[in-house]
Amino acid sequence: EAQVTQNPRYLITVTGKKLTVTCSQNMNHEYMSWYRQDPGLGLRQIYYSMNVEVTDKGDVPEGYKVSRKEKRNFPLILESPSPNQTSLYFCASSLGAGAVSTGELFFGEGSRLTVL
Amino acid sequence: AQSVTQLGSHVSVSEGALVLLRCNYSSSVPPYLFWYVQYPNQGLQLLLKYTSAATLVKGINGFEAEFKKSETSFHLTKPSAHMSDAAEYFCAVSDRSTLGRLYFGRGTQLTVWP
Repeated sequence: EAQVTQNPRYLITVTGKKLTVTCSQNMNHEYMSWYRQDPGLGLRQIYYSMNVEVTDKGDVPEGYKVSRKEKRNFPLILESPSPNQTSLYFCASSLGAGAVSTGELFFGEGSRLTVL
Repeated sequence: AQSVTQLGSHVSVSEGALVLLRCNYSSSVPPYLFWYVQYPNQGLQLLLKYTSAATLVKGINGFEAEFKKSETSFHLTKPSAHMSDAAEYFCAVSDRSTLGRLYFGRGTQLTVWP
C-alpha cells in the first residue's frame, strides 16, 4: 500500500530534550516536506527536499533541522525543543518537479508533539 | 508568488443543505488546484484536483469544484450535506514554477447540524 509513515504519532517531551520525528514514504517520490498545523494558522511549511541531499527552508524553519540521506526518508529534528513548537506535524511527499507532476501531496497521519 | 485565500474559517450548514466553501488563489501562471479534507485526528486526504483539463472537477463523497479563471476561484460545493462531511477543508495551489510545492489556505471548518 502506498503510504507516508510518521513516528511517533504522539509525543510529550520537555524543553531542551532533543527529539526526532521520522518520516518514510514507499512511493519513490522525489519531493518530501514537513508542515506544522496550528489552530487558525493552517498548514505552514517547515522544510522541504527536492531530492536526496537537497533540502531548503520553508516558511517557518527556525528551531528545526532535516536531512535527506535516502530518497525514502526525511526525518525532522528538534535539537532543543521549546513550548512554542507544540503542534501537529505532517510529513508529505509528491512526485516532484518533473513534467508529469502537479504537486499533489500525499500526507502522513500526523505527529502530535507537546513540549512542556 | 502563489497564495490561497479561503473565505470563512467556519461554515455551518444543516444536514441536507448545500455546502459552499470558498477559495480564491493567486498565481502568475496556469495553476494546479486542490482541495484536501482532514477528518478529526487524521491526516489530509485529497478530495479533488484541477490540472487544466475540465474546469468542473468531481471528487470523492459527492463534492465538486469549478475552476473559474476570470474570478481566480476554485469553490468547493456539495448539493446535500451529510453529518459525515464535518471536517476541516483546505484549498491549495501549485504550478510548474513552484517546482512541486503546494501553497495552502488557512482552512475552513465545516460543521453539519442534524
